[in-house]
Amino acid sequence: QQPVQSPQAVILREGEDAVINCSSSKALYSVHWYRQKHGEAPVFLMILLKGGEQKGHEKISASFNEKKQQSSLYLTASQLSYSGTYFCGTEMRDSNYQLIWGAGTKLIIKP
Amino acid sequence: NAGVTQTPKFQVLKTGQSMTLQCAQDMNHNSMYWYRQDPGMGLRLIYYSASEGTTDKGEVPNGYNVSRLNKREFSLRLESAAPSQTSVYFCASTPWGPSNTGELFFGEGSRLTVL
Repeated sequence: QQPVQSPQAVILREGEDAVINCSSSKALYSVHWYRQKHGEAPVFLMILLKGGEQKGHEKISASFNEKKQQSSLYLTASQLSYSGTYFCGTEMRDSNYQLIWGAGTKLIIKP
Repeated sequence: NAGVTQTPKFQVLKTGQSMTLQCAQDMNHNSMYWYRQDPGMGLRLIYYSASEGTTDKGEVPNGYNVSRLNKREFSLRLESAAPSQTSVYFCASTPWGPSNTGELFFGEGSRLTVL
C-alpha cells in the first residue's frame, strides 16, 4: 500500500534538473509532496488533487496522472537549498483522509 | 508564533518504562496527528484526532495511546516502551477538518531511544 518513490537518491550539480516519481498500486484521490532537511521537520511543498487542481507555493512543479496512479515532482535549475529528502504522501479513496507516505528520495545538490 | 511544539526533543528510556510525548499547536487547527519516522520507511501514522474529543487509530497504533486534551494539545503515551519503538516521532496539525486534507504543519520531532 505504501507508494513507491524513485529514484531512492540522486546527486546533481547546481543548476541541473531532477524528476522524482511517486507511484501507487491503488487509485489516488490526491498526492502531497514534502521536503525534509536532515534533522528537521518535513515542510509542505504542494498538493495535487484528482481533477487536476494543483496547489503549491514554491518554484517547483508537479504533475498527477490519475489513470497511471502516479505523480512526478520536477525541480528545474536546482539550487543548493533544494537538498533534502522528498516525500510523497498519497490519499486514497476511503482512506479516511489519512496519508500513506513513500520512503523518500534523497536529493543532494553539489556546487 | 510557535506553530507546533513538541516536548521532549530527546529521550532515552529503558525497556518497560513509560513516557508521554506532548504536542501543542497555537494555530487553532482542528486535526492533529502523531507519526513515527524510521530510516527507509517514510512517515507512518500512529494516531490522529480529526477534532477535539475524537481520536482514531492509524497504521501502527499498537503500543501507543493518545489523548486529545483540548483543541491545542494532543499527547502520545508509551505505556511500556520496547526497543522497536526507537524512532523519531512527529506531531502535525492541519486546519482542515475530517472532510478534506490540506497542508500539514509539523513539529520539530522527538527522538526516542529505547534500550
